[in-house]
Amino acid sequence: EADIYQTPRYLVIGTGKKITLECSQTMGHDKMYWYQQDPGMELHLIHYSYGVNSTEKGDLSSESTVSRIRTEHFPLTLESARPSHTSQYLCASSESDTQYFGPGTRLLVL
Amino acid sequence: GENVEQHPSTLSVQEGDSAVIKCTYSDSASNYFPWYKQELGKGPQLIIDIRSNVGEKKDQRIAVTLNKTAKHFSLHITETQPEDSAVYFCAASFFGNEKLTFGTGTRLTIIP
Repeated sequence: EADIYQTPRYLVIGTGKKITLECSQTMGHDKMYWYQQDPGMELHLIHYSYGVNSTEKGDLSSESTVSRIRTEHFPLTLESARPSHTSQYLCASSESDTQYFGPGTRLLVL
Repeated sequence: GENVEQHPSTLSVQEGDSAVIKCTYSDSASNYFPWYKQELGKGPQLIIDIRSNVGEKKDQRIAVTLNKTAKHFSLHITETQPEDSAVYFCAASFFGNEKLTFGTGTRLTIIP
């Protein structure tokens, strides 16, 4: 079982604020992913990284940005939060094709 | 790209009975098929996976079957218990492209 952590677990914030969602893993996995999950349950890939200094956009367009300066760390940033960003954000990591998920961050933008 | 369909979207089963969730995929190159269980307020947890070189895999009360010809795979849970209540997701990917394509999820409720 992979150890992957996300902070904060819950965040309520006002429109226009800048936020950073943290994701870290202790497995030394090269690949990391960010998913957005709405109440309708479906998971949508918004960003992924195959290693340090590598980031790509996923299948679902997102106004968020990511960085990968260290192997274990893959933060997601929203420069100006809006109510439409309200969702659950899930981080995952993998060594090969098996992905392990963190507990998620539930974001509410007022 | 890959497309994964999952059925049913909701499933209620009497405790002790079996539950079956089915997924179909479109890309014949897909060769890895994991199943995840997501409980309320938690991230998805891998419960079982299968690769295309086998047709069936079992782990205690959970089994997955794969039919490559028909391009579908199924999750079977036997002797269901209340703690099996959760949302289950299937997914597919192929070697060299480790992005998973997920199904739309099945909300399983075990009735005591």
